[in-house]
Amino acid sequence: AQSVTQPDIHITVSEGASLELRCNYSYGATPYLFWYVQSPGQGLQLLLKYFSGDTLVQGIKGFEAEFKRSQSSFNLRKPSVHWSDAAEYFCAVAPMDFNKFYFGSGTKLNVKP
Amino acid sequence: DGGITQSPKYLFRKEGQNVTLSCEQNLNHDAMYWYRQDPGQGLRLIYYSQIVNDFQKGDIAEGYSVSREKKESFPLTVTSAQKNPTAFYLCASRTDNQPQHFGDGTRLSIL
Repeated sequence: AQSVTQPDIHITVSEGASLELRCNYSYGATPYLFWYVQSPGQGLQLLLKYFSGDTLVQGIKGFEAEFKRSQSSFNLRKPSVHWSDAAEYFCAVAPMDFNKFYFGSGTKLNVKP
Repeated sequence: DGGITQSPKYLFRKEGQNVTLSCEQNLNHDAMYWYRQDPGQGLRLIYYSQIVNDFQKGDIAEGYSVSREKKESFPLTVTSAQKNPTAFYLCASRTDNQPQHFGDGTRLSIL
């Protein structure tokens, strides 16, 4: 069965520091992978997606993620965090038919001034 | 601009009442989804629909019902059988092999 694990529930970083949010998935074949961001009381916004090809994908707002098949991971990174990045981040996986998406439980990011 | 509209933003229900949450999209997407979000639990799939007049149960369908009479509309009814309906409800849609797009959600509370 497909599943997504985000091991960190909360993370606090200082503004200007680098960020890495972890995501591990369980899936029999190569999945389609996504990162979404959610501000309080809002819907989810797509940050980036991985379908195939280059394992380092660039997204919006300066985010990037790296797909590592050997580790079943798809970690999200940003070199320098801004206060406006404070939000909740969700990793998701979809099988090849795209019928259902499976979401992790989310990582809430706090940014210290 | 194309998008997904969920209404109302906030909804209050009395015990024993059914309430219907609206989800409308003008993206011409075939598939639509309803999720429930509770703190610390991520998104849980309630129902989804791949085409008009067809829908499938998700992981937590009990106490909920849906219809898909039009491509652009996928309303969710929270029935009195749903014992713990207080949550944030998100609607999403997608086309072909593309990521899901989300509405801004409806927060349902029990009076």
